[in-house]
Amino acid sequence: TQLLEQSPQFLSIQEGENLTVYCNSSSVFSSLQWYRQEPGEGPVLLVTVVTGGEVKKLKRLTFQFGDARKDSSLHITAAQPGDTGLYLCAGEAAGNKLTFGGGTRVLVKP
Amino acid sequence: EAGVVQSPRYKIIEKKQPVAFWCNPISGHNTLYWYRQNLGQGPELLIRYENEEAVDDSQLPKDRFSAERLKGVDSTLKIQPAELGDSAVYLCASSLAGAPAYFGPGTRLLVL
Repeated sequence: TQLLEQSPQFLSIQEGENLTVYCNSSSVFSSLQWYRQEPGEGPVLLVTVVTGGEVKKLKRLTFQFGDARKDSSLHITAAQPGDTGLYLCAGEAAGNKLTFGGGTRVLVKP
Repeated sequence: EAGVVQSPRYKIIEKKQPVAFWCNPISGHNTLYWYRQNLGQGPELLIRYENEEAVDDSQLPKDRFSAERLKGVDSTLKIQPAELGDSAVYLCASSLAGAPAYFGPGTRLLVL
């Protein structure tokens, strides 16, 4: 069974601060996705990383895929209340098997 | 382009009753997933279809859960009979081969 562990489970910060969420596994993934989910909605895809060492930026969000394709991080610069939500990482193994981490709940207070 | 459509959005039933959820994936997506998400946790895969074939149903509680994807397009997930512990959000997602999955809004089930 491939497991993805996210840390921290919960993060509360003030508007303007930076934060980092981690996603770790002992398994190698062909790709890794980050999603954000708001209450009452399904997860919304933020980014897909495929190559080991890859870094992708999406406005104030920076995503990194580990060199060995086993771990990933999401860094948010100058967080805003609109960044509040449940952040989920999901690793894809061969054959479209998608496994999710437990999620990190982020609260950005104004 | 329309996203993944799920219905109903909410369902409240009494234990031991049957319940069914429906999903219409994004047009052309051959892979369809059903996930269950408990409050504050990440989604857990129940079943994955490639076209009309269930290729991964190892986590589906087959004594009470069943699913079908006739004609390889829309899909139905059924629970019979429902138990209190089945209360959760049931998410449907779809993807093209090798591409990321896109999720529907989910069906929130409460079993009383």
